[in-house]
Amino acid sequence: AQTVTQSQPEMSVQEAETVTLSCTYDTSESDYYLFWYKQPPSRQMILVIRQEAYKQQNATENRFSVNFQKAAKSFSLKISDSQLGDAAMYFCAYRSGVDSSYKLIFGSGTRLLVRP
Amino acid sequence: GAVVSQHPSRVICKSGTSVKIECRSLDFQATTMFWYRQFPKQSLMLMATSNEGSKATYEQGVEKDKFLINHASLTLSTLTVTSAHPEDSSFYICSAPLVGASYNSPLHFGNGTRLTVT
Repeated sequence: AQTVTQSQPEMSVQEAETVTLSCTYDTSESDYYLFWYKQPPSRQMILVIRQEAYKQQNATENRFSVNFQKAAKSFSLKISDSQLGDAAMYFCAYRSGVDSSYKLIFGSGTRLLVRP
Repeated sequence: GAVVSQHPSRVICKSGTSVKIECRSLDFQATTMFWYRQFPKQSLMLMATSNEGSKATYEQGVEKDKFLINHASLTLSTLTVTSAHPEDSSFYICSAPLVGASYNSPLHFGNGTRLTVT
């Protein structure tokens, strides 16, 4: 079974600085997809960024980028120019490209605090 | 687009009663709905997958008789917590993929239901 591990329960960053959230996963599959979701205090799940395992190029969405290391099974999220609104829980998630269910398996989450 | 409406957002019930949570896809058809449970400051744990027109698939360790899931139509899935007990208190979130979506497509989440059993 696939697992997703986020080893940082909480991270803190100064406003305007850069922070990296870690995520590792375990799978025997070669076809899969990785996601980062943000959950603000409202509890709404918001997609931040996604990465296809078959793509070598790291995904980027404005201030958010990933460092995808397939051999190391690592998928970290970098937030540049951190803003107060970035404060939230961040979840890394895995989706099998083999299992047709489309389900997401989530890591335990990292709480990001942004200091003004 | 792709809005999932989840109701109620909060519910308090007495121990032993049943509670129904509804998730509706407002502007798309959801043949599949995932039901997650989130404990305080913890991850989202997949409980079950409902499929329109067939029985739900439950994850290991989830009690089928306690968490009844019905996918009545292409736009409605319900989770009923039967004979609720305080340990069932949690945050429940539904989510659905678009029909025919590619594997890199996101899930569309409801806003969640905070269940408190007294």
